[in-house]
Amino acid sequence: ILNVEQSPQSLHVQEGDSTNFTCSFPSSNFYALHWYRWETAKSPEALFVMTLNGDEKKKGRISATLNTKEGYSYLYIKGSQPEDSATYLCASYTGNQFYFGTGTSLTVIP
Amino acid sequence: NAGVMQNPRHLVRRRGQEARLRCSPMKGHSHVYWYRQLPEEGLKFMVYLQKENIIDESGMPKERFSAEFPKEGPSILRIQQVVRGDSAAYFCASSVVPQGNTEAFFGQGTRLTVV
Repeated sequence: ILNVEQSPQSLHVQEGDSTNFTCSFPSSNFYALHWYRWETAKSPEALFVMTLNGDEKKKGRISATLNTKEGYSYLYIKGSQPEDSATYLCASYTGNQFYFGTGTSLTVIP
Repeated sequence: NAGVMQNPRHLVRRRGQEARLRCSPMKGHSHVYWYRQLPEEGLKFMVYLQKENIIDESGMPKERFSAEFPKEGPSILRIQQVVRGDSAAYFCASSVVPQGNTEAFFGQGTRLTVV
C-alpha cells in the first residue's frame, strides 16, 4: 500500500482568486504522476501526466509542477472561475499500479 | 468516438445475488482498469486487463470477485454472492498503451447498492 496525500481536503475561493493545492507521494518506486479533474456526476478527466523531476505542465489557467526527489506535486489554478469547481485527484504510478489520493474539493464562489 | 461506457449506471442487488458490471473501452483501447470507490474513500485499484488477459489483479479480493476482457465485447467485473460491504462506485478506465505514462479515460461508474 502506498500513501498518496492531498491537501487541503476542501477549498472555497472567490471567483478571480488564484489557488493551489498539494499532492504528496512516496518518492521511491516513482514512475509517473497523474492529475485528474472530477466533476460531480461525471467521469474523472485527465489533466496532466508528469514523469520527470522539475516537470512543469500547463493547460489554460491550470498548471502543475513535479518534484520527484521530495515527492510532491502542486496544482495551480490562476483566476479561478465557477466552472473550475470540481474535485482534483492525483495518482502516483509505480510502474505496477496506481495509487490515488482522496482529492481536493474546490468550490469557486461567484 | 464515444467515451468509456459503463453500464448499468446504478445497480441494486440483494445480499447473496450476483452483480455484473460492464465496461466498453474507447475505440482502439486495449487496456482496461477497474477501480472501486468506497464511501468517503479514494479510488482503489482492483484489476488491470488487456484483451483476453489479466495483467494485474493484486487489488481485487481473492474471493467472489472476477474480471474478464474477452476478445469481443465489453470487460466484465463480476461479484458473486454480494454482501453489504460491496456497496460502492465501480469505475473503469481505458488507455491505448499501459496507463502509467499516458492519460486514461474513465467511464462514469456503476453505483452498486447491496440491500
